[in-house]
Amino acid sequence: GAVVSQHPSRVICKSGTSVKIECRSLDFQATTMFWYRQFPKQSLMLMATSNEGSKATYEQGVEKDKFLINHASLTLSTLTVTSAHPEDSSFYICSGRGFSGAGTEAFFGQGTRLTVV
Amino acid sequence: AQSVAQPEDQVNVAEGNPLTVKCTYSVSGNPYLFWYVQYPNRGLQFLLKYITGDNLVKGSYGFEAEFNKSQTSFHLKKPSALVSDSALYFCAVRVLNSGNTPLVFGKGTRLSVIA
Repeated sequence: GAVVSQHPSRVICKSGTSVKIECRSLDFQATTMFWYRQFPKQSLMLMATSNEGSKATYEQGVEKDKFLINHASLTLSTLTVTSAHPEDSSFYICSGRGFSGAGTEAFFGQGTRLTVV
Repeated sequence: AQSVAQPEDQVNVAEGNPLTVKCTYSVSGNPYLFWYVQYPNRGLQFLLKYITGDNLVKGSYGFEAEFNKSQTSFHLKKPSALVSDSALYFCAVRVLNSGNTPLVFGKGTRLSVIA
């Protein structure tokens, strides 16, 4: 299957600082990227959907000014957690899709474990 | 609205025995159904999907799933479980002609295969 590379895999940052997570589609053009957050022993919670060259669409309850998403190219999307706080500590996963057909599966990055101290 | 239910939080099975991880769905329209597996501190790996055609779908690592429209189910199965199959499994759905919408995931089922 297609490969989505997500970096870093783990990051520890101080409260109040910002952290950038990168997600790259290595062998396909990701016209759409999805960003998820996963709490321990829970399912994936969709945070936002971004289409290349457009502003991201955020799910209800997700602060767009705190979780900045950029999808400037067909192979790169970034999530920046601004002014991070301990409650932002979580596992963040990106997912890319190459086509708009509903039957196309999405491919996931390896995830980023963010710890805010 | 679309939804997916995975009724079991945990499934335990002995190595070599058959395994089943249950999934039911609720959609208004024709569903596209997916199974993903997640290992600790990793992203999700695609296992298999049902789009159309044969109700029995075969996927990676010897897994298969059967689409049952009358029961709105898409249970994941494997004839002989391996210890290495122990992981978190997610069922997901998307509706035909729903454009570029994200997958809707179930809450996940933790599979534990005991040697």
